[in-house]
Amino acid sequence: DAGITQSPRHKVTETGTPVTLRCHQTENHRYMYWYRQDPGHGLRLIHYSYGVKDTDKGEVSDGYSVSRSKTEDFLLTLESATSSQTSVYFCAISEGWSKNIQYFGAGTRLSVL
Amino acid sequence: AQSVTQPDIHITVSEGASLELRCNYSYGATPYLFWYVQSPGQGLQLLLKYFSGDTLVQGIKGFEAEFKRSQSSFNLRKPSVHWSDAAEYFCAVYGQNFVFGPGTRLSVLP
Repeated sequence: DAGITQSPRHKVTETGTPVTLRCHQTENHRYMYWYRQDPGHGLRLIHYSYGVKDTDKGEVSDGYSVSRSKTEDFLLTLESATSSQTSVYFCAISEGWSKNIQYFGAGTRLSVL
Repeated sequence: AQSVTQPDIHITVSEGASLELRCNYSYGATPYLFWYVQSPGQGLQLLLKYFSGDTLVQGIKGFEAEFKRSQSSFNLRKPSVHWSDAAEYFCAVYGQNFVFGPGTRLSVLP
């Protein structure tokens, strides 16, 4: 298995509070991604990073921000969590972009009450 | 824009029976194609991928998939299903972006 660790694995929070999810990789891959998984939608890309301090928006980026200060860490922040952000969040990594084989972490289950 | 459809939300098969999960995509050129499997509470694991060449690709766990350009399909098959194959299966397409289908949940009867 690819060396990807997501933390926390589970979190319950209240509406309006900030939340940060962490993805840590030991593979030294250049690309990192944050997805959310909701029933009937598969996985939808929130943000991705193509290098340290280089990030871009995905399909569902509203309400989320990301940061990547080191190759191995990619943080996803919900500045003010809403109930619609209750979901399972997955981090993924890939070595390249053109033949994009993505490897996934185990996920973080977030509940916003 | 790219899109991926998996027409079957849920499929139930008996152990030992054959399996085919359908995947259709929309993209202006030939994309890269993937199948992932997700066991309950787990992340996604890559089963197989198609980039070019032979349109029948072999993957892990005895799975194979066939790319049919004329039908814009990339169906996943297994000749004999095991109880441990019960999981959710996602087809994904990479053209301009990486896009996942909604998934097909597979249940296996003993």
